[in-house]
Amino acid sequence: SQQGEEDPQALSIQEGENATMNCSYKTSINNLQWYRQNSGRGLVHLILIRSNEREKHSGRLRVTLDTSKKSSSLLITASRAADTASYFCATDQYSGAGSYQLTFGKGTKLSVIP
Amino acid sequence: KAGVTQTPRYLIKTRGQQVTLSCSPISGHRSVSWYQQTPGQGLQFLFEYFSETQRNKGNFPGRFSGRQFSNSRSEMNVSTLELGDSALYLCASSLAGSWWETQYFGPGTRLLVL
Repeated sequence: SQQGEEDPQALSIQEGENATMNCSYKTSINNLQWYRQNSGRGLVHLILIRSNEREKHSGRLRVTLDTSKKSSSLLITASRAADTASYFCATDQYSGAGSYQLTFGKGTKLSVIP
Repeated sequence: KAGVTQTPRYLIKTRGQQVTLSCSPISGHRSVSWYQQTPGQGLQFLFEYFSETQRNKGNFPGRFSGRQFSNSRSEMNVSTLELGDSALYLCASSLAGSWWETQYFGPGTRLLVL
């Protein structure tokens, strides 16, 4: 079942502009992660933010988390053509026996036009 | 450290056949999770193995099975293939599968069922 839902589903911007993607989720979480996937390839981990954190930075990435609204946003500043990819948020879900699984949203497809 | 590897990368099978996919986790990682990605359903959790034991299973039929070996390498098997099994199969590894850990994904195996 889908826990996170990204918005928008698709985003097209010019190189150099900022890109903002949003994620909403339904149940309480321990952490929220953002992943990037280039066309049909594996997922690359971008950033993990814990439930007691409100904002985190990594290079040109800025992630915010609002647990009261059950939402997160990913901001990519000064975008480059190489940022063209699909971006997914993933939340942890306890499955029992010490096991956690990641539950993914359907992703935002970002196109950066040179 | 070498990343997560998956073999084969591409596979074409016909309905009714069975298939085995392989995943080698990052050295030292003991948790391996499998995901199915399709355009319609997105990324869905299949199962997770830790120390040769299946700790958790998603909502997939019994045709989908897996195992993990003592060196943490994992295989998944799909029997009696159906057209709807065509997908990108991703495996991910982490040290222990805990909620505070990042999962590292392999490049995936793209399965086409004809």
